[in-house]
Amino acid sequence: DVKVTQSSRYLVKRTGEKVFLECVQDMDHENMFWYRQDPGLGLRLIYFSYDVKMKEKGDIPEGYSVSREKKERFSLILESASTNQTSMYLCASSLGTTLNTEAFFGQGTRLTVV
Amino acid sequence: GEDVEQSLFLSVREGDSSVINCTYTDSSSTYLYWYKQEPGAGLQLLTYIFSNMDMKQDQRLTVLLNKKDKHLSLRIADTQTGDSAIYFCAEKGRDRDDKIIFGKGTRLHILP
Repeated sequence: DVKVTQSSRYLVKRTGEKVFLECVQDMDHENMFWYRQDPGLGLRLIYFSYDVKMKEKGDIPEGYSVSREKKERFSLILESASTNQTSMYLCASSLGTTLNTEAFFGQGTRLTVV
Repeated sequence: GEDVEQSLFLSVREGDSSVINCTYTDSSSTYLYWYKQEPGAGLQLLTYIFSNMDMKQDQRLTVLLNKKDKHLSLRIADTQTGDSAIYFCAEKGRDRDDKIIFGKGTRLHILP
């Protein structure tokens, strides 16, 4: 059964802390994505990666960085957390192919920055 | 840039049909998707349609695509309480590195 696992369902962090959100997939997918989801704004792409050590900025990369050292793991890093980064964070993965490819999502991490 | 638009909220009586609409701007969209997000969960693919198709039916779900108007719709027949969720329209181009572009999601509320 396909699986995308995010390390935490809920996190509470203080302003200024460095925060790591981890995502692991077991499907040998090339593409991995980080989105944040906010009411009325839908899903917004933060960063994506189409191969190990490769990354590209999405629509809202400011205040975030990512790391993809291994194919199965894609980490989202908040260098210095701020209250406006309180959100639901969703990780996804998909095959790197020109053919139709379904994106598989993790269950989400609800991050609160206080 | 590419954009996907959908209304934010739809209220339907149990047993009626629900129709969720979506418009997109990218004429090179190759695949169009409907994802479902239940409360507290991630997104799950519900159905998809290839851009050379007009319609796809899968049990209670019917997807209609009007490529000329760049309009996609999802019809859920005999709507049930378990259909209460947020439905996201999404599109993807044909290139390997094309991102999937999501709409903001339509929250479907079922009335008893």
